[in-house]
Amino acid sequence: AQSVTQLDSQVPVFEEAPVELRCNYSSSVSVYLFWYVQYPNQGLQLLLKYLSGSTLVKGINGFEAEFNKSQTSFHLRKPSVHISDTAEYFCAVKETSGSRLTFGEGTQLTVNP
Amino acid sequence: DAGITQSPRHKVTETGTPVTLRCHQTENHRYMYWYRQDPGHGLRLIHYSYGVKDTDKGEVSDGYSVSRSKTEDFLLTLESATSSQTSVYFCAISEMLGLKHEQYFGPGTRLTVT
Repeated sequence: AQSVTQLDSQVPVFEEAPVELRCNYSSSVSVYLFWYVQYPNQGLQLLLKYLSGSTLVKGINGFEAEFNKSQTSFHLRKPSVHISDTAEYFCAVKETSGSRLTFGEGTQLTVNP
Repeated sequence: DAGITQSPRHKVTETGTPVTLRCHQTENHRYMYWYRQDPGHGLRLIHYSYGVKDTDKGEVSDGYSVSRSKTEDFLLTLESATSSQTSVYFCAISEMLGLKHEQYFGPGTRLTVT
């Protein structure tokens, strides 16, 4: 069975500062990895995904993530955040042969002026 | 945006009453999912479907049942609602083909059981 740990439940940062949201996963088989964003009172939107190939994945809104197989991590980064990036972010993992996603508990990113 | 709608969007019901939530898609995706979202728990899978009349349990399926009689509709039923089922419920769809393994989410249904 797979599992996901998001190491920080809340991350406060100032506008234009860099940010990293941490995600570690556990699985005995090959996986696909995802980051989703949820704005208040909305559903989840896909930010980016890693399926194969380059371990550095670029997504929407200037976010990127790096897959590190040896450390079983998939941390999300943005070099300069905006107020509008305030939202909850979820890391998710799926076994390559499976049909279910397993989500982490989420990280609330708050960008302050 | 993926064509996913959920109805109702908000519902307040009393303990012990049956409740049915509907998810409707216009994308013809094979897989459909029901999740609940609670503070501190992220999203937890209730049930999912991999085709018409083909369903399977998720990690928190007790007290819930589902049905899928058409590709586009996936119903979630709480046979006898309890206060512990107060939550926000999300439907998701996926193709699970080729490079398309991500799930697309509906807007959610906020259910309050009093």
